[in-house]
Amino acid sequence: GQQLNQSPQSMFIQEGEDVSMNCTSSSIFNTWLWYKQDPGEGPVLLIALYKAGELTSNGRLTAQFGITRKDSFLNISASIPSDVGIYFCAGPSGAGSYQLTFGKGTKLSVIP
Amino acid sequence: EAGVVQSPRYKIIEKKQPVAFWCNPISGHNTLYWYLQNLGQGPELLIRYENEEAVDDSQLPKDRFSAERLKGVDSTLKIQPAELGDSAVYLCASSLGGAGQETQYFGPGTRLLVL
Repeated sequence: GQQLNQSPQSMFIQEGEDVSMNCTSSSIFNTWLWYKQDPGEGPVLLIALYKAGELTSNGRLTAQFGITRKDSFLNISASIPSDVGIYFCAGPSGAGSYQLTFGKGTKLSVIP
Repeated sequence: EAGVVQSPRYKIIEKKQPVAFWCNPISGHNTLYWYLQNLGQGPELLIRYENEEAVDDSQLPKDRFSAERLKGVDSTLKIQPAELGDSAVYLCASSLGGAGQETQYFGPGTRLLVL
């Protein structure tokens, strides 16, 4: 089946720094989703991308749908302690958009 | 508006025992999903319901796992008997259903530890 590869696997950054993470696939996706999961909680949708080349922002978060439709990027500017968590990319893997495949996540730690 | 509710939040059982998880989706959401999340992994779909019908259960290990959504609202996922490898987080999610309404909202999950 389709697989999503996320990198880096984990990262430690200083508060105030910008963060970049990406997600790649061996096959084309028509939608890219970015979720954040806090410890002990379920994933929460941050940004949804529906068109190749699309650049979408949500506060300090910006995500891009890669031109090849096989990758996506998530950037966080001016990180703060509450950005700590695991960031997952996901995309529909079935005929319908309901069947999501998730990456393994990027674990972000922010040092105050 | 209340989010997806799951209970219990944590469960510790011995292997070979049965266990059940309960989920109440967001009000009005017709589609309900059960996911399995192993440590260090993303969620993996187990089963999807459209109202009371299980429309995708291809990933559900049917020898020991079962699920129901009898009235098309809340749902129960059961494991009988549980094995050590079943230790994981079981997530429930719901969406409105229908074209353009597929955004999935996740509950907090049930953390299962099988000893």
